[in-house]
Amino acid sequence: GENVEQHPSTLSVQEGDSAVIKCTYSDSASNYFPWYKQELGKGPQLIIDIRSNVGEKKDQRIAVTLNKTAKHFSLHITETQPEDSAVYFCAPMKTSYDKVIFGPGTSLSVIP
Amino acid sequence: SQTIHQWPATLVQPVGSPLSLECTVEGTSNPNLYWYRQAAGRGLQLLFYSVGIGQISSEVPQNLSASRPQDRQFILSSKKLLLSDSGFYLCAWSAGGARGETQYFGPGTRLLVL
Repeated sequence: GENVEQHPSTLSVQEGDSAVIKCTYSDSASNYFPWYKQELGKGPQLIIDIRSNVGEKKDQRIAVTLNKTAKHFSLHITETQPEDSAVYFCAPMKTSYDKVIFGPGTSLSVIP
Repeated sequence: SQTIHQWPATLVQPVGSPLSLECTVEGTSNPNLYWYRQAAGRGLQLLFYSVGIGQISSEVPQNLSASRPQDRQFILSSKKLLLSDSGFYLCAWSAGGARGETQYFGPGTRLLVL
């Protein structure tokens, strides 16, 4: 089964700085790589995803990069804002599988 | 558009009492359905998932059970709650079959067992 790790587990940055969270996985068959954001007291929500035939994807201040050879992908947030404070989860999977294994989460705090 | 509902939003129950949490999805058919539990400050633990009516896969042995009586209804139950059952319960859906990728989460139920 898939073994998923995230680093760091907690991250604190000053407002305006960049934040990078890395997700490593074990299943080489994984072909879909999403990142979810969970705000306090709410369910996680998809913020960005990437597929195995793409190396990088960007959506305004957030981007995801994939290194399929090394089996890791990263979330990049630039010009961080206080509302970016949340827990972020990666969830690499093979799209034909029925279930998803989430990473342990990274708690991001953006200090105003 | 698709929406997912969970209720109740919060619940305080005594140890040994029964539990029933309900999740319904609107705007899609034949979804994959999931129950997760999240302890305070922790990650998402997959409890059950279902690919169709009456089809339940259990991920973690425990005193909880799940049922899917209708295509878009998923129920989490217990006959006797334990203190360790406290947590934040999240229901999620994804498109069924090989199309299943993104998970869409409900608002969650916060359960406190005393």
